[in-house]
Amino acid sequence: EDQVTQSPEALRLQEGESSSLNCSYTVSGLRGLFWYRQDPGKGPEFLFTLYSAGEEKEKERLKATLTKKESFLHITAPKPEDSATYLCAVQAWYGNKLVFGAGTILRVKS
Amino acid sequence: ETGVTQTPRHLVMGMTNKKSLKCEQHLGHNAMYWYKQSAKKPLELMFVYSLEERVENNSVPSRFSPECPNSSHLFLHLHTLQPEDSALYLCASSQDRFQGEDGYTFGSGTRLTVV
Repeated sequence: EDQVTQSPEALRLQEGESSSLNCSYTVSGLRGLFWYRQDPGKGPEFLFTLYSAGEEKEKERLKATLTKKESFLHITAPKPEDSATYLCAVQAWYGNKLVFGAGTILRVKS
Repeated sequence: ETGVTQTPRHLVMGMTNKKSLKCEQHLGHNAMYWYKQSAKKPLELMFVYSLEERVENNSVPSRFSPECPNSSHLFLHLHTLQPEDSALYLCASSQDRFQGEDGYTFGSGTRLTVV
């Protein structure tokens, strides 16, 4: 069974304090790993898709990386507006659905 | 209007009521999904539709009944729900059911409370 585990469950940072979120996964043949951001009262917003180990993608202060067992979302010099829940999901080659982790709640204080 | 639109945003219903959730996408996508999001739990897939055909029913109780009349609209009909069905119900769409570089586009969800 495909599984996704995210850690930590919650993370509090000071503005400018860089850190990383972890997404560990088990899947029988990875088609893609996806990162989403979700603000309170809203649906998830797509951030990145990663397909193979060693791949990296960047968007503003966020950088996502992928290995064969986990993915990291690195946040460099975060700002309060980066506060949100960050969700990781995987899709297997044989499946037509995304399997999500429970998310990491990020709070950035000024 | 672009994106994925869900109505209503909030819904309170009794256990004996019948109601429907509506989802509409204007992205030209061919696949649509219903997900359930409960507090501190991962998003849980309920149904997948591809080109208006249901291709996955993730062991969802029969009190939830989906309908996809065309590739732009998706409904979730609700009847005799239980309090534990209270959650955020999210609709999403994608270019096709095998995903793609742009991922899923989600609506803002319907916050359902069963009393």
